[in-house]
Amino acid sequence: EIVLTQSPGTLSLSPGERATLSCRASPSLRSSYLAWYQKKPGQAPRLLIYGASNRATGIPDRFSGSGSETDFILTISRLEPEDFAVYFCQQYGSSPLTFGGGTKVVIK
Amino acid sequence: EVQLLESGGGLVQPGGSLRLSCAASGINFMNYAMSWVREAPGKGLEWVSSISGSGGATHFADSVKGRFTISKDNSKNTLFLQMNSLRAEDTAVYYCAKGVIPSDSEPYYYHYIDVWGKGTTVTVSS
Repeated sequence: EIVLTQSPGTLSLSPGERATLSCRASPSLRSSYLAWYQKKPGQAPRLLIYGASNRATGIPDRFSGSGSETDFILTISRLEPEDFAVYFCQQYGSSPLTFGGGTKVVIK
Repeated sequence: EVQLLESGGGLVQPGGSLRLSCAASGINFMNYAMSWVREAPGKGLEWVSSISGSGGATHFADSVKGRFTISKDNSKNTLFLQMNSLRAEDTAVYYCAKGVIPSDSEPYYYHYIDVWGKGTTVTVSS
C-alpha cells in the first residue's frame, strides 16, 4: 500500500499569501498518478489537480500542482477567502487507492 | 451537469446491515467506473470499493472485504453499497464518486475522482 503523508497538518496564512502544501509518497508513484482535492465542511470534495500537474475543469489558475515519484506540491499562488479549506492528495497508480491525511488551510 | 445523490444512511446497531444508493444524472452511467469513499469522524478519506463501468468487476478495501458488496444498475443509473456485519469503525460519511481512468491500458480501479456526491452518514452504535 502506498502511504501518502501530507504536511503541514495545518497552514495558517492570510488572504493574498502563497500556500505551499506537500504530499510525500512511500513507496514512489508511477506515472505521476496523483490528484489533489479541496474539501469544505458539509460539502463534497472537489477535484483540483490530476496527473500531478493538470488542473481540472473550472479550477482557477492560482492552483497549480507539481512533483513526481515521491514528492508532490500543491501551490495556491494568492489565497482567496474561499480557498480556506482542507486539501487532500490521492494516488491512483496502485491498489488500494489511498489518500493523504489532509492539510487544513486556516485564516491567520 | 453531472450529479450524484446518495441515500440510505442512518443509525444501525453493530452487526446490522444497511444499503446505500447513489443516483447519478448527467452521465452515460455504464461508461464509468464508480467508487465509494468514506470519511470517519476526525479522520481522512478512505477508499472503500470500486466497480467497473459494466458492473462486472468489483474491488474492495481489506477493511470491508467479505462484508460489503458493491453493485450498479446501469438501466437506472444507480450505484449501491450493501453493508453487512457493520462495526463501530464503519461509522462515517459515505461518498459516491465517479472515477476517471487515466488511460485505456489501466484497470478500472486505478482512477481519480472528478465528481463526488454530498455524502450520506452511517452511524454504527448500540
